Amino acid sequence: EPEVTQTPSHQVTQMGQEVILRCVPISNHLYFYWYRQILGQKVEFLVSFYNNEISEKSEIFDDQFSVERPDGSNFTLKIRSTKLEDSAMYFCASSIAENNSPLHFGNGTRLTVT
Amino acid sequence: GESVGLHLPTLSVQEGDNSIINCAYSNSASDYFIWYKQESGKGPQFIIDIRSNMDKRQGQRVTVLLNKTVKHLSLQIAATQPGDSAVYFCAETDDYKLSFGAGTTVTVRA
Repeated sequence: EPEVTQTPSHQVTQMGQEVILRCVPISNHLYFYWYRQILGQKVEFLVSFYNNEISEKSEIFDDQFSVERPDGSNFTLKIRSTKLEDSAMYFCASSIAENNSPLHFGNGTRLTVT
Repeated sequence: GESVGLHLPTLSVQEGDNSIINCAYSNSASDYFIWYKQESGKGPQFIIDIRSNMDKRQGQRVTVLLNKTVKHLSLQIAATQPGDSAVYFCAETDDYKLSFGAGTTVTVRA
């Protein structure tokens, strides 16, 4: 069964450093998402992406965050200058349609900012 | 504000019994709901979904019930197995964005 893959599984970085989290969505999916989950809390929406544009973003997704689809398979999340509070699990997801279609999630990247 | 929530944060179930996990939502405009299962160290895994024009949907060992009148969603797991131990999230679509509830941790006792 096709799946969403994310790399790395764990990223440790120092405060102020830039990180890029990588995702390969399911190949025939057209809609892409990033969510995050702070330890012990619920999964929070960050951003949705379609047709090489951001469709929607949350208040969490400020100017320090950016997304890109640099080629036909990868979907990346960049955090320009990490803060301690950015420490979380970051999940990439994709779906085949915009609505009434389940999101399929990767296993996440655990980001630890020290 | 609008939110999706679960009634109980934890549920302990005897192996072989049926489990019922509840969820309340507040956005009456939501038209699509999903249950996800999250095991330790993994991402949310799709279990079953339901559209607002339905009130019940069945899958393999799972049933989702939707009561739009009271804005309540439930997930029933038949004959709960040890592998069902996980955190279960309900999620709703709100302006094409999926919003998650807080999660219920289900522990299956042998």
